[in-house]
Amino acid sequence: LAKTTQPISMDSYEGQEVNITCSHNNIATNDYITWYQQFPSQGPRFIIQGYKTKVTNEVASLFIPADRKSSTLSLPRVSLSDTAVYYCLVGDAPGNQFYFGTGTSLTVIP
Amino acid sequence: GAGVSQTPSNKVTEKGKYVELRCDPISGHTALYWYRQSLGQGPEFLIYFQGTGAADDSGLPNDRFFAVRPEGSVSTLKIQRTERGDSAVYLCASSRAVGTGELFFGEGSRLTVL
Repeated sequence: LAKTTQPISMDSYEGQEVNITCSHNNIATNDYITWYQQFPSQGPRFIIQGYKTKVTNEVASLFIPADRKSSTLSLPRVSLSDTAVYYCLVGDAPGNQFYFGTGTSLTVIP
Repeated sequence: GAGVSQTPSNKVTEKGKYVELRCDPISGHTALYWYRQSLGQGPEFLIYFQGTGAADDSGLPNDRFFAVRPEGSVSTLKIQRTERGDSAVYLCASSRAVGTGELFFGEGSRLTVL
């Protein structure tokens, strides 16, 4: 299974765009990349998933370069309620992403 | 119910006791996952079920941990002879099937072993 590396923490001001990058140098051909968000005392919540290039939904965008050895979660115009831990997972089929790392703790500052 | 339900939400027990944690997945979801999360750490995979069978139990830390899902819906995580190191939040998730990409998590059961 591909291991992922993310920054431990990030700070951002309200209204700014936040980009969180995840490294996964050993990603396999069949692996998908999935991001989850977790608030204190809650279970993780699915944000977005992709395989290559760019994926966008109503809350975020996911950028994956051609070599797929990294990915970037982009959160547009963050608000205080986006303060949470964000996890990047890599696995060999959608849904088979079993392994969370320590995640990136994002703090949004007013 | 609308989401994944876990009971109890909090459980305090003494070292050496037996504990059961229950997970009621979203109706119709065939895949069910158990994770354990310690303070400041990401969720740690324990086991997942596809239907009634445990498809991968490689994350169970030792033979004191066991999980069942006899009818392919509700699952119970069982911990024998609890130890202080078992204290954590136990999270359950379900998905429509293995391979569908999105896991829906419950709010967890917080286990404290004194």
